[in-house]
Amino acid sequence: DAGITQSPRYKITETGRQVTLMCHQTWSHSYMFWYRQDLGHGLRLIYYSAAADITDKGEVPDGYVVSRSKTENFPLTLESATRSQTSVYFCASSGQNYGYTFGSGTRLTVV
Amino acid sequence: SQKIEQNSEALNIQEGKTATLTCNYTNYSPAYLQWYRQDPGRGPVFLLLIRENEKEKRKERLKVTFDTTLKQSLFHITASQPADSATYLCALNSNSGYALNFGKGTSLLVTP
Repeated sequence: DAGITQSPRYKITETGRQVTLMCHQTWSHSYMFWYRQDLGHGLRLIYYSAAADITDKGEVPDGYVVSRSKTENFPLTLESATRSQTSVYFCASSGQNYGYTFGSGTRLTVV
Repeated sequence: SQKIEQNSEALNIQEGKTATLTCNYTNYSPAYLQWYRQDPGRGPVFLLLIRENEKEKRKERLKVTFDTTLKQSLFHITASQPADSATYLCALNSNSGYALNFGKGTSLLVTP
């Protein structure tokens, strides 16, 4: 099906573990984004990408790594998970100057 | 610092009335402003985009205004319905480029 898919939907991991959240879109949108959403903070931008092999830091990039080897995929890796990274993570994609299409989110709990 | 402010208090209105939500911003020079709807447990859904040279935009029962002098956008839902109950987010492109920064959202509850 066309759209933007995030996986897993839910994840529980231990402090210090590496975790990768996946994001796949089928529209060939140039732009892709990762946000985290926490109570009291709203949506905060982690990383974004204008095209394959082009990525930029957002507001809260520390502790996260991204890659974009293919236009359709934009995985987010937590190198060594901490409890403060417990959050809901949303991936989004868009064409230029258009609205974003968001995935359903990944609820990550770090214990 | 850059700020996007939306009323943190929930807005409760009666079905059939017009809901008006406010978005104020500081230290932005946005090329456009966007509004999104978010339901519990779901990702935000894009509603409307308005550009800096546009004063008003409409889509069905939705209307958005954009005043770059006041640094404010108003989002109206006319003839509101209980199905309109959700959190509404305002977003602006950051000064550095195309990525959006979001306000914290305003929760709207429409009662029958």
